[in-house]
Amino acid sequence: DGGITQSPKYLFRKEGQNVTLSCEQNLNHDAMYWYRQDPGQGLRLIYYSQIVNDFQKGDIAEGYSVSREKKESFPLTVTSAQKNPTAFYLCASSIRSGVETQYFGPGTRLLVL
Amino acid sequence: RKEVEQDPGPFNVPEGATVAFNCTYSNSASQSFFWYRQDCRKEPKLLMSVYSSGNEDGRFTAQLNRASQYISLLIRDSKLSDSATYLCVVNIGTGGFKTIFGAGTRLFVKA
Repeated sequence: DGGITQSPKYLFRKEGQNVTLSCEQNLNHDAMYWYRQDPGQGLRLIYYSQIVNDFQKGDIAEGYSVSREKKESFPLTVTSAQKNPTAFYLCASSIRSGVETQYFGPGTRLLVL
Repeated sequence: RKEVEQDPGPFNVPEGATVAFNCTYSNSASQSFFWYRQDCRKEPKLLMSVYSSGNEDGRFTAQLNRASQYISLLIRDSKLSDSATYLCVVNIGTGGFKTIFGAGTRLFVKA
């Protein structure tokens, strides 16, 4: 089955800890995205990547980092610099960046202990 | 002004009702438009794209008015299973790319 997977489903972070959220897709999509969703709010773009070995900051990149070493993988690291990391994190992909439909993974819920 | 604004909701409707969602966008360079559905604690899923000529998929009808920068979604004969949050999504393509998600409108369909 083609799709986007994210792991883990739930993640707990201690103060001062870096954590990495996994996102994998087998749709052969060039573009991948990370969003953050807070209760009652719309999705906000953290980072996106249009092609392997390239990525761009979104609207709220501070405290986050990404890599895109493989087409199918786009992991997100939430660093200790992100002071309010509790949120629902969604990874998405599209054939290309721009006007195409984005397809989402099931999300990771990050909680701070 | 937000780039994409939706009715704040929530909407509470009985089964069988017709419900309309409205969305306005501020950037005239917006190129493509979508409605997504998001169930509680789940990921958004594409409901339908919105075309200039309007489009229909079963009980769902989407319309676009570029002059007024307005998008709508109409659900006829509401089902309990339609209860969800409906997100308006706008892609702005001006050299770079930007996808803007509305905050969503929550729908509760009751028996």
